[in-house]
Amino acid sequence: AQRVTQPEKLLSVFKGAPVELKCNYSYSGSPELFWYVQYSRQRLQLLLRHISRESIKGFTADLNKGETSFHLKKPFAQEEDSAMYYCALRRTSGSRLTFGEGTQLTVNP
Amino acid sequence: DGGITQSPKYLFRKEGQNVTLSCEQNLNHDAMYWYRQDPGQGLRLIYYSQIVNDFQKGDIAEGYSVSREKKESFPLTVTSAQKNPTAFYLCASSSVGIADTQYFGPGTRLTVL
Repeated sequence: AQRVTQPEKLLSVFKGAPVELKCNYSYSGSPELFWYVQYSRQRLQLLLRHISRESIKGFTADLNKGETSFHLKKPFAQEEDSAMYYCALRRTSGSRLTFGEGTQLTVNP
Repeated sequence: DGGITQSPKYLFRKEGQNVTLSCEQNLNHDAMYWYRQDPGQGLRLIYYSQIVNDFQKGDIAEGYSVSREKKESFPLTVTSAQKNPTAFYLCASSSVGIADTQYFGPGTRLTVL
């Protein structure tokens, strides 16, 4: 069975500082990895997915199969980045996602 | 936003009562999902359906039931057998295939009194 772990429940940084949200997974096959974000009073929404290899709102994430990680990074955090972030995994076949526990990011002024 | 609606936004029920949460989508998606969101536990999958008249149990299906009689609707019933039903419930939908991002509804907060 697959599993996603986000070791930090809470993460607090200052504006302009770099930020990294950690995500580790366990799955024997080749997974597809996602980051979802939930801003205050808004719906959960997709931030980025590893197959797209793109930067969204300054965030990037690289799939490291050797370390089974998919950490989310941004070089200069902004106050509007404050939100709950979820890492999620999908198996190569099938549509269901397995989510991590989530990390609440707070960017202080 | 839009495309997936959940109702009601807040729901209160007494212990021992069944309650049904509504989820509707007009995105023409084949797949629909129900998650439960609890602080510190992330989102856990309750049930999902990839096609009309078919659905599968997720990780925490005990005490819940669903139906999928129409493509656009996937109601969730929280039965009296669910031991700890107070939670925030999220519905999602997606197409099935490469472009299958899940889109989420606004959620229903259920409180058992």
